[in-house]
Amino acid sequence: NAGVTQTPKFQVLKTGQSMTLQCAQDMNHEYMSWYRQDPGMGLRLIHYSVGAGITDQGEVPNGYNVSRSTTEDFPLRLLSAAPSQTSVYFCASSYGQATYEQYFGPGTRLTVT
Amino acid sequence: GENVEQHPSTLSVQEGDSAVIKCTYSDSASNYFPWYKQELGKGPQLIIDIRSNVGEKKDQRIAVTLNKTAKHFSLHITETQPEDSAVYFCAASRASKIIFGSGTRLSIRP
Repeated sequence: NAGVTQTPKFQVLKTGQSMTLQCAQDMNHEYMSWYRQDPGMGLRLIHYSVGAGITDQGEVPNGYNVSRSTTEDFPLRLLSAAPSQTSVYFCASSYGQATYEQYFGPGTRLTVT
Repeated sequence: GENVEQHPSTLSVQEGDSAVIKCTYSDSASNYFPWYKQELGKGPQLIIDIRSNVGEKKDQRIAVTLNKTAKHFSLHITETQPEDSAVYFCAASRASKIIFGSGTRLSIRP
């Protein structure tokens, strides 16, 4: 199993540009989530999904959109990038909601200039 | 809103000594408390977890304790080794929501 994969590994955007961070898992997990990691602030939940067709907001959802058309994929969209969105983004999946082990991807380092 | 406080933010211990990291949580409905280890350039990885119906759990050199009344839980690493150097995160969760602490950078001195 590849586990959780994320692309790209690095990305530089200009303010106002849009992009999609890709996340896929091959473990047939129902729960998937996106986090951002900033220095001194740990991991903050952006959006999550408890299954295909179902998404919900986490702690810091503003400026981000998600969709879940399949069990495997959970892309994160930045519609109009801002410097405040400079961060490292992690996707994770788990067998059942947030009360089970989260399997994290390798992360995407995003810089918005 | 709900939060998880983690202390200390940095910790340096002599190889072979013990390390303790503490977390407090605010949501009394939280029922799952995992600890993750993050090595440089990688995603976090679960090292141990505990559920609210258990007070203590041990896995070789790693142990976690939970005090539901006081709403705090701790990670204990004994006989520390160089490979224990990393950033450690605690978290508290219930159902579909999880909140992480701000992390502890643990350094092991030779």
